[in-house]
Amino acid sequence: GENVEQHPSTLSVQEGDSAVIKCTYSDSASNYFPWYKQELGKGPQLIIDIRSNVGEKKDQRIAVTLNKTAKHFSLHITETQPEDSAVYFCAARGGNTPLVFGKGTRLSVIA
Amino acid sequence: GAVVSQHPSWVICKSGTSVKIECRSLDFQATTMFWYRQFPKQSLMLMATSNEGSKATYEQGVEKDKFLINHASLTLSTLTVTSAHPEDSSFYICSARVPGSRNIQYFGAGTRLSVL
Repeated sequence: GENVEQHPSTLSVQEGDSAVIKCTYSDSASNYFPWYKQELGKGPQLIIDIRSNVGEKKDQRIAVTLNKTAKHFSLHITETQPEDSAVYFCAARGGNTPLVFGKGTRLSVIA
Repeated sequence: GAVVSQHPSWVICKSGTSVKIECRSLDFQATTMFWYRQFPKQSLMLMATSNEGSKATYEQGVEKDKFLINHASLTLSTLTVTSAHPEDSSFYICSARVPGSRNIQYFGAGTRLSVL
C-alpha cells in the first residue's frame, strides 16, 4: 500500500520568511495530493491540493509542487505570518482508495 | 469549501457507557464518509470507511463491535463507541468525500472523547 513520509517534523521560521515542507510517496498509482492545516483542537482544513497531471499549483501565499518521477511533493508558504502556525499534513491517494497521511509538520512562525 | 459538521465537539463519559458521535455533510450528499482517530501530536489514523446504505469497511486492528458505524442517509454518519474505557479517550474526526469533485475530502471539527 501507499506510504507517505513527511519532513521536517517541526519547523520554526521568522515572520516574513518562507517555509517549505516536503513529502514523498511510494505508490506510483497515487494521483491526488492534498495538504491540510490543523490548528490545536480542530479538524484538518484543506488548504491546497494538486493532481498528478499538474506540476505546480499556487493560491496566494501557498504553492504546491509535484515531481511524479521522484515521487516528491512540497508545500511552500511565502511571507509567513503568525497565523500560519499550525500542524500541516500532506496526504496521497490513488483512485478510490482512502487518503494516506504523512506524520505532520508543526510550523511555528516567530513574530 | 464544503461543510462537514461534527457533534459533539467534546464529550466526557463514565467507563462502561456508550457515546455516539454524529457527522453531517451540510451542503452536499456524501455517499462515502471516513472516521479517523488522532492521538496527541500524531497523525490521523483511519478507522473505517462508511458507505451509505451498506456496512462500513474497517481498517485492520479496529474492532467493529467496539466502534459501531451507521451511515443511514446521504448526509449523516454516526460513530458509536460502545462500552467506552479510558483507553478509548482520543480525538475522533470524521471526513466526507464530495461526489463529483474527483475525491476532494473535507473534515469535521473533531470530537474530543474523555472516558473517566
